[in-house]
Amino acid sequence: DGGITQSPKYLFRKEGQNVTLSCEQNLNHDAMYWYRQDPGQGLRLIYYSQIVNDFQKGDIAEGYSVSREKKESFPLTVTSAQKNPTAFYLCASRSQGARTEAFFGQGTRLTVV
Amino acid sequence: GEDVEQSLFLSVREGDSSVINCTYTDSSSTYLYWYKQEPGAGLQLLTYIFSNMDMKQDQRLTVLLNKKDKHLSLRIADTQTGDSAIYFCAERKTTSGTYKYIFGTGTRLKVLA
Repeated sequence: DGGITQSPKYLFRKEGQNVTLSCEQNLNHDAMYWYRQDPGQGLRLIYYSQIVNDFQKGDIAEGYSVSREKKESFPLTVTSAQKNPTAFYLCASRSQGARTEAFFGQGTRLTVV
Repeated sequence: GEDVEQSLFLSVREGDSSVINCTYTDSSSTYLYWYKQEPGAGLQLLTYIFSNMDMKQDQRLTVLLNKKDKHLSLRIADTQTGDSAIYFCAERKTTSGTYKYIFGTGTRLKVLA
């Protein structure tokens, strides 16, 4: 079945280490997004990509980096520069066609200790 | 304002109707969405409405849109315990030819048996 897969579901890292979160989709969607979710703050946009080899910063890009070398993959790296990285991270994708909504993965909960 | 606003909590009795309200930011947003999030999971699209509509009904769900006031609501008829979740409204904004989804803070719906 088509969908968006985020892995791992839970991730623990020591403070000061970089960590990469995986997001893969087999929906043939062009656009992909990364959001961060904190309690009571909803979803905030980190980075988004409309097409392969292109991406833009969202509202809270500092301390994060992404790449979009393949259409189906949009990994997010949380660097040591991110001051408060513990959060729930959600990846989404959207087709360029008539269907307009964003489809979400199941999320990765990152805990930095 | 710059934020999509929702009240944080709503509690209803099983069998009653629930109404979740949202105020969005951009009167030119063409699509508005309602998503549902169960604990520890990603977001699932419930319904959406195009900006030239003022109402959309889909089984137990009714969406009302007031473009003048930038107000969106979701009514769930005959609310069940399985409806307990966080509900997010979102608007699709176009910025420099790209689409971004802006989410509200989410409303946590608790259904009492």
